[in-house]
Amino acid sequence: DAKTTQPTSMDCAEGRAANLPCNHSTISGNEYVYWYRQIHSQGPQYIIHGLKNNETNEMASLIITEDRKSSTLILPHATLRDTAVYYCIVHFTGGGNKLTFGTGTQLKVEL
Amino acid sequence: DADVTQTPRNRITKTGKRIMLECSQTKGHDRMYWYRQDPGLGLRLIYYSFDVKDINKGEISDGYSVSRQAQAKFSLSLESAIPNQTALYFCATSDLPGTSGRTGELFFGEGSRLTVL
Repeated sequence: DAKTTQPTSMDCAEGRAANLPCNHSTISGNEYVYWYRQIHSQGPQYIIHGLKNNETNEMASLIITEDRKSSTLILPHATLRDTAVYYCIVHFTGGGNKLTFGTGTQLKVEL
Repeated sequence: DADVTQTPRNRITKTGKRIMLECSQTKGHDRMYWYRQDPGLGLRLIYYSFDVKDINKGEISDGYSVSRQAQAKFSLSLESAIPNQTALYFCATSDLPGTSGRTGELFFGEGSRLTVL
């Protein structure tokens, strides 16, 4: 599975959009981009995933560049409850679903 | 009730003791995983199982063993616990991605905090 690079931490004002970047320059054609978040020491929670098209669900939007070497998770209206560690993972689901988590981005949403 | 249940939630033990962490799930998933998390670090995969007869080592399997007793149950054992195995342990499950709208996402338990003195 390709490795990812994320900023260690980010701040965001409540109500504003939080844009979390992720670089995955070694991604291969059959690898998906997954995003999870972990609040305090709870189990990580799935947010969204995509292959090459942009995706949106009730939690967030995922923007993947055309060359697929980077992506951005967008929380459109961040709240204090979105304060968490966000993990970007690149993974080939067809060969086994053994996701490996890096250290992620600590997002702090403030008033 | 939680879809993925881990027991115990907290455990303090001594060096050399045998410890078992248990995980059960009601998701009906074939795939189960054990992860370890150390303070300030991400999750590292210990073992994973794609069905009852399939067990695979992850990146940090030394010092651990697992048992897949049934589709719904996956246990992690520390045969002789040592202090550097003090960590937060997570069990997770997933389905096979790409079929019938399945995402292949991982569903995590609430974690088992283990302290080895």
